[in-house]
Amino acid sequence: ETGVTQTPRHLVMGMTNKKSLKCEQHLGHNAMYWYKQSAKKPLELMFVYSLEERVENNSVPSRFSPECPNSSHLFLHLHTLQPEDSALYLCASSRSDGSQETQYFGPGTRLLVL
Amino acid sequence: AQSVTQLGSHVSVSEGALVLLRCNYSSSVPPYLFWYVQYPNQGLQLLLKYTTGATLVKGINGFEAEFKKSETSFHLTKPSAHMSDAAEYFCAVSGGTNAGKSTFGDGTTLTVKP
Repeated sequence: ETGVTQTPRHLVMGMTNKKSLKCEQHLGHNAMYWYKQSAKKPLELMFVYSLEERVENNSVPSRFSPECPNSSHLFLHLHTLQPEDSALYLCASSRSDGSQETQYFGPGTRLLVL
Repeated sequence: AQSVTQLGSHVSVSEGALVLLRCNYSSSVPPYLFWYVQYPNQGLQLLLKYTTGATLVKGINGFEAEFKKSETSFHLTKPSAHMSDAAEYFCAVSGGTNAGKSTFGDGTTLTVKP
């Protein structure tokens, strides 16, 4: 138990569906991250929020839309996804104070797009 | 800029044998270095980290890593492998202007044979 929770743990959706992934951290951190982990590919950083402002967006398609309403919650809104978006989506958080920035990860949401 | 190279995407050892997972990094500033472990269907869990000070770092589950600046390496070792060590291991680096962003290696899958 890392103090970072993600829901749902598993999600199956069609290409026309709209769904949202939720991440919550109970560690008092002020930075949150979305990563995509696909089979046989390296971990891909998608979005970074620091102090609730998006500070990084690694050219992620617009069908992925992040939202960070406060420092404890992070959402990833999904719409009109493609089968290649099937992957494990990992949320992480850290204390952004310019120091060692250890990231704590949630268990992930396993997404399957049909 | 920073990068991480994990040598060997798959490592197989016998139970009780030495575990050695290799990680080399590049960084334009003094690095912070991390090893994470990921068990099947779970998120990443921090094993250990190097920030400053002692170059031999001890982590959980009997793992340790040594920071060698001259070799730009941060290899992970464990004297005696256990079946429960079978997992995927990720090396990561952060620091300087990248303090808010860790760069991860591609991962090494460790198999432990009985």
